[in-house]
Amino acid sequence: AQTVTQSQPEMSVQEAETVTLSCTYDTSENNYYLFWYKQPPSRQMILVIRQEAYKQQNATENRFSVNFQKAAKSFSLKISDSQLGDTAMYFCALGEGGADGLTFGKGTHLIIQP
Amino acid sequence: DSGVTQTPKHLITATGQRVTLRCSPRSGDLSVYWYQQSLDQGLQFLIQYYNGEERAKGNILERFSAQQFPDLHSELNLSSLELGDSALYFCASSVAAGQNPNEQFFGPGTRLTVL
Repeated sequence: AQTVTQSQPEMSVQEAETVTLSCTYDTSENNYYLFWYKQPPSRQMILVIRQEAYKQQNATENRFSVNFQKAAKSFSLKISDSQLGDTAMYFCALGEGGADGLTFGKGTHLIIQP
Repeated sequence: DSGVTQTPKHLITATGQRVTLRCSPRSGDLSVYWYQQSLDQGLQFLIQYYNGEERAKGNILERFSAQQFPDLHSELNLSSLELGDSALYFCASSVAAGQNPNEQFFGPGTRLTVL
């Protein structure tokens, strides 16, 4: 069975700093996808970034980028120039090629301090 | 706004009761997924429907059931409710099962409180 582990329950950084959230996963599939979702206090689940396992190039979306280490089964999220609006729970998620439901980690509560 | 709608936003009921949660996927999306988010279990996948047919099952209790209708909206039925069923229930939709990039768009959720 697939698993997703986020080892940092909470992190706090100052505004404008760079922060990296960790995620490791386990799957026996070769075709899979990895995602980071953001859940602000409104509780809405917002897709931040995605990575296809077959792509070697790390995904980037504006201030958000990932470090995808396939052999190590690691998928970390880097947020540059952090903003107060980045304060939220961040969930790492794994989706396998059969397009079944996503497997989520327990989440990291990120707090951006002014 | 993801384009996925869920009703109601909040639901308060008593133990032993039955409730129905409703979800309308994004226009054109054929797949609907249901998730439960609780403090102790985190976010868990419950069940998936694709174009009216059940596609995959996750950690869904036998007291729970779902269906997807011809207009592609979906309903999650929760019966014989227990205190532990109190949670945030999300619906998500995607274009089609098996198609890349398997990206799911989440609705705002229904907050269920069982007293």
